[in-house]
Amino acid sequence: ILNVEQSPQSLHVQEGDSTNFTCSFPSSNFYALHWYRWETAKSPEALFVMTLNGDEKKKGRISATLNTKEGYSYLYIKGSQPEDSATYLCALPGSARQLTFGSGTQLTVLP
Amino acid sequence: DGGITQSPKYLFRKEGQNVTLSCEQNLNHDAMYWYRQDPGQGLRLIYYSQIVNDFQKGDIAEGYSVSREKKESFPLTVTSAQKNPTAFYLCASSTSGRSDNEQFFGPGTRLTVL
Repeated sequence: ILNVEQSPQSLHVQEGDSTNFTCSFPSSNFYALHWYRWETAKSPEALFVMTLNGDEKKKGRISATLNTKEGYSYLYIKGSQPEDSATYLCALPGSARQLTFGSGTQLTVLP
Repeated sequence: DGGITQSPKYLFRKEGQNVTLSCEQNLNHDAMYWYRQDPGQGLRLIYYSQIVNDFQKGDIAEGYSVSREKKESFPLTVTSAQKNPTAFYLCASSTSGRSDNEQFFGPGTRLTVL
């Protein structure tokens, strides 16, 4: 089973702070990397799907970068807001090309 | 509105009983998935289906069964053979089974075995 690690496990920041967290994965046989946001009492929703080394994607104040050669992706949130509080999941296809999820980074933005 | 629905939201089961969790999508997606979440762990794949009348085991299929008789429906049965069925279950779908297709998730079903 593919080993997808996310760090930190949880994070508390003040409103207005910028923050980032990491998804690490084996660099061999890379196909794609997914980031999902999962707010409490809601369904997980896709933020980004990244496929190329050096990819950078942006959606509003959230951006992500990808380094397939060293096996990591960073998710950045600029000027965090309370509505950014959620668990952020990273996932990659493993055997049989199906997604393997990391355990997530739980972000709490304090007003 | 297009989306994925799961029912029921909460489900209680006595030990030794089979239960079926419903998942329906009206997104016209070919691929559908069932995941399980336990505290402190990532989502783990139970079963997936890339097309009607076909499905494959995921990483933790033991004690579960599925069917895919219609494109829009992918019910999951938790059998009495599942040793530790209390968990949160999420259904998802995607346009196809390609690994670069984003997945769309339902609201989940929380199953508790009494």
